[in-house]
This record gives sequence, C-alpha cells and structure tokens, in this order.
Amino acid sequence: KNEVEQSPQNLTAQEGEFITINCSYSVGISALHWLQQHPGGGIVSLFMLSSGKKKHGRLIATINIQEKHSSLHITASHPRDSAVYICAVRRGTDKLIFGTGTRLQVFP
Amino acid sequence: DAGITQSPRHKVTETGTPVTLRCHQTENHRYMYWYRQDPGHGLRLIHYSYGVKDTDKGEVSDGYSVSRSKTEDFLLTLESATSSQTSVYFCAISERGAEAFFGQGTRLTVV
Repeated sequence: KNEVEQSPQNLTAQEGEFITINCSYSVGISALHWLQQHPGGGIVSLFMLSSGKKKHGRLIATINIQEKHSSLHITASHPRDSAVYICAVRRGTDKLIFGTGTRLQVFP
Repeated sequence: DAGITQSPRHKVTETGTPVTLRCHQTENHRYMYWYRQDPGHGLRLIHYSYGVKDTDKGEVSDGYSVSRSKTEDFLLTLESATSSQTSVYFCAISERGAEAFFGQGTRLTVV
C-alpha cells in the first residue's frame, strides 16, 4: 500500500465547476505539499501545509493532521486548470514522498 | 523562480553506456533529490542528499549512483544504462520547513 494515496486518479469537469482532489497518507509528517504539473511541463509548488487551510486565488488547500487527510479545492474551474495535481508529504528525514497524482481535465 | 537547472534536457543513449545527469542550484538549499517519473507510478525517489558528500538511497536506487561534491551540484549517474531506465528525471531542492522546487526535467531514452 502506498504511503500517500490520492483520489480520484482522473477527473473531468465542465468549466465553472467546483473541484476537490483528496490526499490521504499513512505516515507521520512535518508538512504536506500540493504540486501542479502541466502536460509536458515542469512541476510547480502550489501549497505547503502543516496545519489548517491556505488559499491562493481560486485554489484552497486544507489539511486535517488527526485524520491524515488533505484536500485541494479549485473554485470556478477553468480549462487552464487542466493538469496533474500531485500530493507529497515530507517526513522527518526530509524525504518527499509523492502520491501518483490526479489528472484533471476541464472542458469549456 | 528558484534557481535550479537540469542538464541535459533530453538525451538518447545506448544500452550499456554510462550516463550522467546534472542538477545545479543557486539557492544554497541543503536538500537535493533525484526522482524519476513514469506513467502509473508517479514520482519515485532515486537518491537524495542532505549535504555535501551526504547522500542516501531512495526507493528505486538500483542501477543509479549520485555524488555531491559541492552544495550547488547533484549528479545522477546511470552506471550502465538499461531500457528500464528510460524515463523523465526530475531534480528537486528544498530546505527544512520550506517549499520544494523542481527542475524542468530530463527526458532520457535508452535504446
């Protein structure tokens, strides 16, 4: 079983829809990262969380340390949000452990 | 943008040849990582470094070695390339408690 599980693996949406991507992990962590990768592109850090909630534009990330769960929300989704979203957790040794990603496609 | 560059960006090599990928950073971050990304597997850690000359293995380290003689450079070597090492390789840097930054990736094809 992977230490970091994401769901769903694939997600399609119509422009304007509210989107939620989930990440569950089974290990103790010091921080959780949400990353974005556009097709053929590099990997960009969206958020780093150790507790609570963060917001940047239309993106909101939350984490529940007790439940070992995080969610990434996209409000008013747009075709340019189409990408792979990756959850990663940082363990005490500072290794980053990644989920396999959620592929999001937003159609006009 | 964080100063992290990978070279080369693309490489085609023959089975059995040695290959070295370079990751260079200008951020003075302590931690550097090499990952490979394959369909269905996501990003998997090959090796990482927590300081000059301090390295450790990740989950898919067989067939790979690394070296870090300077803070800014982290080299990944495929000692004898195999077709199973065809992949996209990403370097990342971080400091404790801070965001991670990724290079643009190196697409390696072993024929």
